[in-house]
Amino acid sequence: KAGVTQTPRYLIKTRGQQVTLSCSPISGHRSVSWYQQTPGQGLQFLFEYFSETQRNKGNFPGRFSGRQFSNSRSEMNVSTLELGDSALYLCASSLAFWSDYGYTFGSGTRLTVV
Amino acid sequence: DAKTTQPPSMDCAEGRAANLPCNHSTISGNEYVYWYRQIHSQGPQYIIHGLKNNETNEMASLIITEDRKSSTLILPHATLRDTAVYYCIVRPPRGSQGNLIFGKGTKLSVKP
Repeated sequence: KAGVTQTPRYLIKTRGQQVTLSCSPISGHRSVSWYQQTPGQGLQFLFEYFSETQRNKGNFPGRFSGRQFSNSRSEMNVSTLELGDSALYLCASSLAFWSDYGYTFGSGTRLTVV
Repeated sequence: DAKTTQPPSMDCAEGRAANLPCNHSTISGNEYVYWYRQIHSQGPQYIIHGLKNNETNEMASLIITEDRKSSTLILPHATLRDTAVYYCIVRPPRGSQGNLIFGKGTKLSVKP
């Protein structure tokens, strides 16, 4: 079956702009999580959505937001981009919120802010 | 912050067992130990998890010490495709802020 699909794979934006990233979970998975990966900070949890509601949130500023649709697809938005937002953004899906049996990650969207 | 300590890098010969250690001396009784790995240019991949008993699946074995302060991930017959960064994660209790808290991990290099 198809894995977690993230689009686009690569993106270049200018400081001050906003960006929207998309994630389609594995069919049947209802939870979607987002992570940011940078060389300096490593992998950091952003938030988790389940049944169109944000259930958990990491320590990121309000410029980072997300939403989940009724078909479980999710989008992540970053407003007023800063150079430090350059990162690999990873989406992960699971059957349920706080799944005990692991999350399946996508290959990520690499965002470069110039 | 991550509650785990792992060596930054390890080497393993192809076909031999790879034993990856992890220290988590401040783990609480209801916190699970998870292992993920990340192959270059891909998202992390779930390997295994456990609470206090040893666990085995088709990918690996997880050995947790009796006091739960450390664990070892064992890849029984490492192949070149197992070259990756391996993350040991102590997962906070359900409902805590955050979810999977990744540390720096161990870069495992499997050599021919």
